[in-house]
Amino acid sequence: GAVVSQHPSRVICKSGTSVKIECRSLDFQATTMFWYRQFPKQSLMLMATSNEGSKATYEQGVEKDKFLINHASLTLSTLTVTSAHPEDSSFYICSARDNSLAVYNEQFFGPGTRLTVL
Amino acid sequence: AQKITQTQPGMFVQEKEAVTLDCTYDTSDQSYGLFWYKQPSSGEMIFLIYQGSYDEQNATEGRYSLNFQKARKSANLVISASQLGDSAMYFCAMREGLPNTGNQFYFGTGTSLTVIP
Repeated sequence: GAVVSQHPSRVICKSGTSVKIECRSLDFQATTMFWYRQFPKQSLMLMATSNEGSKATYEQGVEKDKFLINHASLTLSTLTVTSAHPEDSSFYICSARDNSLAVYNEQFFGPGTRLTVL
Repeated sequence: AQKITQTQPGMFVQEKEAVTLDCTYDTSDQSYGLFWYKQPSSGEMIFLIYQGSYDEQNATEGRYSLNFQKARKSANLVISASQLGDSAMYFCAMREGLPNTGNQFYFGTGTSLTVIP
């Protein structure tokens, strides 16, 4: 089955530093990947839609200069949190769409990355 | 208006009993898909079940079934014979438009299910 990995699973960083999170589709090609943010005991909030070879589409209220997304290949998208601050601490989840055929389980989710900014 | 509404922040169920988790949705599209995910404390999102807007029969996957009432715009998840491992957050989600178009998912606020031994 379609597997999506995220790396790292946990990261702790100092305020002001940048953190890169990788999202990989391991056994399928993903033209589209999605980045979500989830605060404790809350829902998943879509941050941006990442399309291979083009600029990401950010949701309203998400700073594109702060959350840099690069979808350089059909199996890899990265989210870089630049100049991280404590309020950026959250659980970041990516999902990837398998565009090989009309699979109704359309988004395969990664295991998430827990970011803590001190 | 919220696209997906889950009105039960927390639910308790006795082990081996059935439980229904509520979900209502709001869309003007004729084509849409409804999904349920389970999120245990580890954080991973586990796909449970899918219902397409044109599917006439309710979806079933093992102990999970989706009670789809299109006119009422509800897509409740029924878990039969609850197990301790079912304790988790459950999210209802909707994709507007045709399947596999890359359209975003809208998630509800989730229901925390606790199975009591």
